[in-house]
Amino acid sequence: AQRVTQPEKLLSVFKGAPVELKCNYSYSGSPELFWYVQYSRQRLQLLLRHISRESIKGFTADLNKGETSFHLKKPFAQEEDSAMYYCALMDTGRRALTFGSGTRLQVQP
Amino acid sequence: DTEVTQTPKHLVMGMTNKKSLKCEQHMGHRAMYWYKQKAKKPPELMFVYSYEKLSINESVPSRFSPECPNSSLLNLHLHALQPEDSALYLCASSQEGGTLTDTQYFGPGTRLTVL
Repeated sequence: AQRVTQPEKLLSVFKGAPVELKCNYSYSGSPELFWYVQYSRQRLQLLLRHISRESIKGFTADLNKGETSFHLKKPFAQEEDSAMYYCALMDTGRRALTFGSGTRLQVQP
Repeated sequence: DTEVTQTPKHLVMGMTNKKSLKCEQHMGHRAMYWYKQKAKKPPELMFVYSYEKLSINESVPSRFSPECPNSSLLNLHLHALQPEDSALYLCASSQEGGTLTDTQYFGPGTRLTVL
């Protein structure tokens, strides 16, 4: 069965510090991985997906199949990055998303 | 229109009531989803509709009854719910076919309270 693990419930950093939100997955096939973000009182929205290889709002994530990881990184955190971040894996056969438990990022001034 | 909309925003119902949640999208997406999100937990998949047909039911109790009347509309009919069913119910949609089109777009959710 597929599984997504986000080991940190809360990550607190100061503005300007680097950020890394960890995500590990377990999946027997070729994974499709996503990062979703939920700002306070806003809907869940896609931040980035590994297949696009984009950098959104300064965030990047690299799929490491050897380590089964898809960590989210940003070199310099901003206060507006404070939000809940979910890593998600798609079962491409069923088109079903499995979410990790989420990491709350707090960026302090 | 590039959004998924959900109504109502909030719903309070008793255990004997019958109510419905509504979800709408006009992005031409052919897959639609219901998720349940309890407080401080990630969303959990309930149902998937593909081309207006139910393709996934994640062993959801029958007191939740989904319906997809057309490609733009998704309903969730609620009957005889329990207090533990109180949660945020999220709707999402995505295009069908091809990995680049599998991004799911979420609505703002309906916050349901069962008394």
